[in-house]
Amino acid sequence: DTGVSQDPRHKITKRGQNVTFRCDPISEHNRLYWYRQTLGQGPEFLTYFQNEAQLEKSRLLSDRFSAERPKGSFSTLEIQRTEQGDSAMYLCASSLAGLGEQYFGPGTRLTVT
Amino acid sequence: DQQVKQNSPSLSVQEGRISILNCDYTNSMFDYFLWYKKYPAEGPTFLISISSIKDKNEDGRFTVFLNKSAKHLSLHIVPSQPGDSAVYFCAGLYGNKLVFGAGTILRVKS
Repeated sequence: DTGVSQDPRHKITKRGQNVTFRCDPISEHNRLYWYRQTLGQGPEFLTYFQNEAQLEKSRLLSDRFSAERPKGSFSTLEIQRTEQGDSAMYLCASSLAGLGEQYFGPGTRLTVT
Repeated sequence: DQQVKQNSPSLSVQEGRISILNCDYTNSMFDYFLWYKKYPAEGPTFLISISSIKDKNEDGRFTVFLNKSAKHLSLHIVPSQPGDSAVYFCAGLYGNKLVFGAGTILRVKS
């Protein structure tokens, strides 16, 4: 299966701790996106990369959030000093530049206690 | 502000009949629209898309209709199957980001 993969699938952490998630896109895709989904809502855009360059960030992405895609392949999303409001499903997607379809991974469910 | 709205939280349809899922949008700058299906504990799965310059796109049992003057799109599933039971999201592509509606839960009864 060469789809988008995410790790871990679930993360439970205590408030104030730092967490890091990983996303591996479809191998030939040069664009990678992060979204966040809370209960009863659709996914909300956080940020996206084209190759290793982070080209857009949502205002939802506070200073406690940072994303990287160091070699233009996998990406990491780190949340520092987690808060209960960070509890959500974090989704990664990838696409080819110039095409509208984005393909999503299974997500990482974060629970902050 | 909600740029994409799915006003029906849920829809129940008998197997073999047509399912029609609706979506309204406010942003005229969307240049592409997509439908995704989502099962519990999985990420959204791409179903079908339509460019803003078209009014219809068909793929097997799935057809998407776009009415730009009404800022409305719909997804038709014919015939509906129990395996179609899932949450369906419509999304508009604005620049490089997808803007999603809140989703509609479809239940197909056998």
